[in-house]
Amino acid sequence: AQKVTQAQTEISVVEKEDVTLDCVYETRDTTYYLFWYKQPPSGELVFLIRRNSFDEQNEISGRYSWNFQKSTSSFNFTITASQVVDSAVYFCALSGDNAGNMLTFGGGTRLMVKP
Amino acid sequence: DAGVIQSPRHEVTEMGQEVTLRCKPISGHNSLFWYRQTMMRGLELLIYFNNNVPIDDSGMPEDRFSAKMPNASFSTLKIQPSEPRDSAVYFCASSLTGGEGYEQYFGPGTRLTVT
Repeated sequence: AQKVTQAQTEISVVEKEDVTLDCVYETRDTTYYLFWYKQPPSGELVFLIRRNSFDEQNEISGRYSWNFQKSTSSFNFTITASQVVDSAVYFCALSGDNAGNMLTFGGGTRLMVKP
Repeated sequence: DAGVIQSPRHEVTEMGQEVTLRCKPISGHNSLFWYRQTMMRGLELLIYFNNNVPIDDSGMPEDRFSAKMPNASFSTLKIQPSEPRDSAVYFCASSLTGGEGYEQYFGPGTRLTVT
């Protein structure tokens, strides 16, 4: 069975602060894929990143960065210099090689960035 | 390119009525997913199609729910009869299937209210 845990249900920061959203996963698959999605107040789910289990390189995209560590089964997401527009619910998700692309989602972390 | 299209965006109906939600996946995608999102249960996968064939419907709550995919560009999720506890946001997503763990792209969702 697969499981994704986002222990932080809500985080509140002040604009320009850095913030890290935690994601811990469980899977028995040797090959798997990790994802982050953003759900802004408007409600749509926006794909942010996909990571393969055999590629542990960290990734940076503008103010966003992701830290993948197989040793701790974690795939954390950091927003640098947060902005009010970053306010959203962020979901971490997992797909195993034997899961036919089905995603297991974490419970989500609600990020509130205050001006 | 057009993303995943869902209709209607909002649906309000009375208990006992039939509800049909519609989805048009991204052209070229061969996998389609229906999800339900509620505050209590988060994001739940209802059913997954690959090449128009239902692969996993273990998430379908009960016999009142049914889904079809008559061709590669259209899918429906039907609830008959509807109940107040079916009130939720229903998302359709599509992706490519393959060993690369392709990401799913979500539609804007249909907000269903059953009174």
